[in-house]
Amino acid sequence: KAGVTQTPRYLIKTRGQQVTLSCSPISGHRSVSWYQQTPGQGLQFLFEYFSETQRNKGNFPGRFSGRQFSNSRSEMNVSTLELGDSALYLCASSRDQTYEQYFGPGTRLTVT
Amino acid sequence: GEDVEQSLFLSVREGDSSVINCTYTDSSSTYLYWYKQEPGAGLQLLTYIFSNMDMKQDQRLTVLLNKKDKHLSLRIADTQTGDSAIYFCAEKEDYSNTGKLIFGQGTTLQVKP
Repeated sequence: KAGVTQTPRYLIKTRGQQVTLSCSPISGHRSVSWYQQTPGQGLQFLFEYFSETQRNKGNFPGRFSGRQFSNSRSEMNVSTLELGDSALYLCASSRDQTYEQYFGPGTRLTVT
Repeated sequence: GEDVEQSLFLSVREGDSSVINCTYTDSSSTYLYWYKQEPGAGLQLLTYIFSNMDMKQDQRLTVLLNKKDKHLSLRIADTQTGDSAIYFCAEKEDYSNTGKLIFGQGTTLQVKP
C-alpha cells in the first residue's frame, strides 16, 4: 500500500511570492492534516480537512490556507511568503477520526 | 492549554535499553503516540497507546503510561545504531472531533557503537 506522498519535496521561493504544496493521502484515508516543523517552534498544527471540509485550524495567519478535493488529495497555500515561513511542511493522513495518523516525507520550503 | 514536554537528548550504548520520557498536561487526551524522525525524513508512527491502558508492548518497544502523573515513556530494548533519530511524543485532543496532535519538542537519541 502506497504511503502519503507530498510534492514537491524541495522548494525555494522569494519573499513575497506564494506557494502551493500538495499532499496525496493513503488510499482510503479521508482525513488530511498539515503541520509546520521548524527548529525554533517544533511541530505545529496548521489545519485538518475531512471530506473536503476544514475540521480544525491552528494558530497561523490567514496567509496560510488549504483545501481538500473530492479524491481526498489536499493542497496548502502560503501567500506573501516571509523568511520565517521557511520550514518542513508535513502532511498526515488517517482513515477518519481514527487514531493512526501517517505522515508523508514533507516538503522543505526555503524562503530567500 | 495543552503542552507536551520531553527531554532533548539521550545517549546510550548499542545493546543497552533506551528510555525516553514525556509529560503532558491535557487530562482529556485519548491517545498518546510515539513517532520517529530520521534526518531528512517525515515522521514514522512507532506506536500509540489509548489512555485507559497502562502498558503496550510491540517487539522491542514498550510504552508505559502513568495517567495520574501524566507521564508517558518509550523503552527501546537492545538499542541499535539504526535507532538513532529524533523521537516525538504526541497527544491527541479529545474534546473536539479532530485528529489534531500536540507534539513535544523531540528527544534526540544517540546510539554509540
